[in-house]
This record gives sequence, C-alpha cells and structure tokens, in this order.
Amino acid sequence: AQSVTQLGSHVSVSEGALVLLRCNYSSSVPPYLFWYVQYPNQGLQLLLKYTTGATLVKGINGFEAEFKKSETSFHLTKPSAHMSDAAEYFCAVSHGSGNTGKLIFGQGTTLQVKP
Amino acid sequence: DTEVTQTPKHLVMGMTNKKSLKCEQHMGHRAMYWYKQKAKKPPELMFVYSYEKLSINESVPSRFSPECPNSSLLNLHLHALQPEDSALYLCASSQDRGRADTQYFGPGTRLTVL
Repeated sequence: AQSVTQLGSHVSVSEGALVLLRCNYSSSVPPYLFWYVQYPNQGLQLLLKYTTGATLVKGINGFEAEFKKSETSFHLTKPSAHMSDAAEYFCAVSHGSGNTGKLIFGQGTTLQVKP
Repeated sequence: DTEVTQTPKHLVMGMTNKKSLKCEQHMGHRAMYWYKQKAKKPPELMFVYSYEKLSINESVPSRFSPECPNSSLLNLHLHALQPEDSALYLCASSQDRGRADTQYFGPGTRLTVL
C-alpha cells in the first residue's frame, strides 16, 4: 500500500529565505511522485514529478525536489522564497502497481511567506 | 494548451434542488476525474472515467451521478444533497490512467448546500 506524510502542516519563511517542504512516502512498488501547488480558490497545478531517471527533478517557478530512495523522501525546495509562493502544497504518490489513475495525497503544507 | 475548464465557478443549492457541474478539456486526454475537496484538506477522489467509461467509483453516495457524454466533457449531476456536501469540486484530466500520467486540474466549482 502507498501512503504520503508531509511533515509540518504549516511552514513560515521570510521572503528570500530557503523553502523546504518535507514529504516522505511509503510504497510497495517503485514510486511515482508528484508535487502540486494550490493557490487560494484555485485548482491544483503540477510543480514537478519524479518517475524514473534523474533523482533531482526541476520544476516550475524555481522549485526542485530530490528523490531519495534510502530515506523514502521527496522533499521540495526553492533557494529563495517569493511572496507569490504563499500557497498550499501537496505531495502525492501514484497508487499501486496498476494503471488506475489514482493518486494518494499527503495532508498538505501551507506555506506562509513573510515580508 | 493544458487547460481544464469548469462551470459554474460558484453554486448555491437547496437540499431538494437538482443541479449539474460541467467540466471540459480539449487536450485529447482519455481519463477524467472528479474530486471533492474540503477546506484545508487534500482532494478526495470520487470518480474516474477512462475512454468515456466509468472505471472507478469510490463508494460515492448515489445523490452524485457522473456522466461522460464524450471524450472532452464530464458532468456531475447533483440531487438531494446534504449540507455536508458543501465543498470545492475539482475536475481533472490526464493522457491516460498510467502511474506517470500528470493530472491537470480545473479551477473547481465552489458548492454550497443550504
């Protein structure tokens, strides 16, 4: 069975500071991992995803994430936070080994960016 | 173009009303999804359509009735809803249901049941 744990339901950083949002997963099969962002009153937007290959994945808006199998982690980082990064962030893993289309989401992390 | 559109943006309905939510995509995607999202929670999967056929129903109450008239359109028919059904309803689509396929989300319909 797959599961996702996002450590820290609320993260606050200053503008210009490093952003680190933590995601740990549990998967009985090689995981396919996603980070989505949701701005207030909007749908989810894909930031980046890991399927196979390079373990450091670069996404949109300056975000990147590193897949670490030994630590079962897929943490999201950005070197310098911008006010516009304030949003809800969800980590997700594809469910199971079959092609069902199901995603298992973490509980989400609210990122606050202080001026 | 990676856009999924949803109408209406907001909907207020009484418990005896019948209403429908509409979702459209023109990316040629063959999988479409309905999710329900409560405030400060992740989206919860309701239904998955694949090649216009219902492939997954996550034990959703029958007062929610999905329909996929063609490969670009997905509807969610609502009838006799309860106040606890108030939520953001998100539609998504993906190329197929593969584990690596990215789901593209619409902006959602904010539903309030009085």
